[in-house]
Amino acid sequence: SQKIEQNSEALNIQEGKTATLTCNYTNYSPAYLQWYRQDPGRGPVFLLLIRENEKEKRKERLKVTFDTTLKQSLFHITASQPADSATYLCALRLSYNTDKLIFGTGTRLQVFP
Amino acid sequence: NAGVTQTPKFQVLKTGQSMTLQCAQDMNHNSMYWYRQDPGMGLRLIYYSASEGTTDKGEVPNGYNVSRLNKREFSLRLESAAPSQTSVYFCASSGVRGLTGEQYFGPGTRLTVT
Repeated sequence: SQKIEQNSEALNIQEGKTATLTCNYTNYSPAYLQWYRQDPGRGPVFLLLIRENEKEKRKERLKVTFDTTLKQSLFHITASQPADSATYLCALRLSYNTDKLIFGTGTRLQVFP
Repeated sequence: NAGVTQTPKFQVLKTGQSMTLQCAQDMNHNSMYWYRQDPGMGLRLIYYSASEGTTDKGEVPNGYNVSRLNKREFSLRLESAAPSQTSVYFCASSGVRGLTGEQYFGPGTRLTVT
């Protein structure tokens, strides 16, 4: 069966450390992988995307890696801050011909001062 | 720009009642989507519309209907609400910005069916 897995347990880290979140998928060959942030009571907000032929993408303190052999993406937040506390969702776009996404269940990140 | 707007923000229905959730976007996007989000289940696609005049089923369409009224508006209708439809509903849209397909979400509608 097709699955997207994110760690359902919350990730708790200290301010200033690097947070690393994992997205694993099976039986998909996505064209893109996207990461979204969701705050309580609000809709998801797009952060970054990485294409199938890219290994790594950076934006300010955010870094995403994409290993299509392992079928895994890692999402890093360096120098984490309490304001980074939120749920982070990964999403797969399965082809270039559609904008439809398949979402993972998300991982909650809590950054403590 | 307001982005994606949804009404209402909260709604309580009794089993069997009907209602329509409204969604509008002002970004001139072609594609629009309706998702539901339940604890532990993530976001699941109910219906989507790739362009004005077209709609297609997503992963969980049973019990719902949609209308793409024009390019801006995409409504979701529950004809006979059931407790299993208690959820948070999100509308989203996407255009062709850089052909990357990132989606822009509304603030959500929290629906309770008793």
